[in-house]
Amino acid sequence: KAGVTQTPRYLIKTRGQQVTLSCSPISGHRSVSWYQQTPGQGLQFLFEYFSETQRNKGNFPGRFSGRQFSNSRSEMNVSTLELGDSALYLCASSLRGETEAFFGQGTRLTVV
Amino acid sequence: DQQVKQNSPSLSVQEGRISILNCDYTNSMFDYFLWYKKYPAEGPTFLISISSIKDKNEDGRFTVFLNKSAKHLSLHIVPSQPGDSAVYFCAANRAYNAGGTSYGKLTFGQGTILTVHP
Repeated sequence: KAGVTQTPRYLIKTRGQQVTLSCSPISGHRSVSWYQQTPGQGLQFLFEYFSETQRNKGNFPGRFSGRQFSNSRSEMNVSTLELGDSALYLCASSLRGETEAFFGQGTRLTVV
Repeated sequence: DQQVKQNSPSLSVQEGRISILNCDYTNSMFDYFLWYKKYPAEGPTFLISISSIKDKNEDGRFTVFLNKSAKHLSLHIVPSQPGDSAVYFCAANRAYNAGGTSYGKLTFGQGTILTVHP
């Protein structure tokens, strides 16, 4: 069974640009959550999607958005990038969002 | 307010001995707990979980203990191996009374760096 796939693995963007990250969940998993990991803040929850609907959102500005498609694949978008957005962005999938979540390898975003 | 805490930033253990990683939580609504292992620049790897209706769960060398009254859980690794060296995160969720702002949200501790020396 294929795991969670995130693309791309690495990105370098300039301040002010926008970026889109992609996540393909484990087959059969309908819940996709996104997390940001930084050295100072640890792993922080961004948002969760289930059946194409955002059910939950963390404390991040509106520049961070996402969506989920009918095949459960998800994308997150960050607009007007700031230096502080440099982080490892992780996607996790689970059956329904309540128990075990399995993570992808992450996308390392560097904003210069 | 940090709802899940791992008070030991690091732990050093000799190969073959037991590693004990600790985690405390404050939110009594949490009813499902997980441990993940993580290497730098990679995603966390799921290790083991436990629901609040149990006080112990075993999987090979890994055992998780839950003390609900103390709001404390621990991960035991026996015997420890050099390949176990990584950052270990505990995480908490609301599985049996999920709703509202709890869906799909794992709350993580800050992690403990485990080093197993040969």
